[in-house]
Amino acid sequence: GENVEQHPSTLSVQEGDSAVIKCTYSDSASNYFPWYKQELGKRPQLIIDIRSNVGEKKDQRIAVTLNKTAKHFSLHITETQPEDSAVYFCAAMGNQGGKLIFGQGTELSVKP
Amino acid sequence: GAVVSQHPSRVICKSGTSVKIECRSLDFQATTMFWYRQFPKKSLMLMATSNEGSKATYEQGVEKDKFLINHASLTLSTLTVTSAHPEDSSFYICSARVSGLSNYGYTFGSGTRLTVV
Repeated sequence: GENVEQHPSTLSVQEGDSAVIKCTYSDSASNYFPWYKQELGKRPQLIIDIRSNVGEKKDQRIAVTLNKTAKHFSLHITETQPEDSAVYFCAAMGNQGGKLIFGQGTELSVKP
Repeated sequence: GAVVSQHPSRVICKSGTSVKIECRSLDFQATTMFWYRQFPKKSLMLMATSNEGSKATYEQGVEKDKFLINHASLTLSTLTVTSAHPEDSSFYICSARVSGLSNYGYTFGSGTRLTVV
């Protein structure tokens, strides 16, 4: 089955700097890659997603890139703000019944 | 639209008792529901996939008899933790697929914090 690896586990940046989180996946048949932001005790919130037929997608300060050949995808947050502080998860959806498999998570801390 | 209502949000139970968690799709029909478990500061681990009207499919290492899943209707899926023990204490969250949404239609319940004492 699918396996998703996410790095780093923790990331601390200064306000205004950029943050990059990277994920790799194992199943070449996976075709949908969402990123979620989760605050403590809350449900994951979709922040951006990308499909396998696209290499890059941007939404204001957030962008995601996908390299299908290398089977990795990354989240880029520019001009970080303290309210960006949260845990971020990548995920991959394969062909096995549409299951979403999550990475281990990255705890992002943006210091004012 | 595409809201999944999950109850209860928090529950404390004694060891040996059973706890039922419900997830209801409020404005759509959820033919498939995914159940996840999340330990503090850890990832969401897929436990099982429930399909309306058929048996759930469990991930490797998940005890079927301990985590009973029922998906008897298109709007309700339940997870029952049977004979709960302290190690079952965790955050349980459901997710349903919704056809027609651009993001492949994954919507999450608000989660249930289970504490077994």
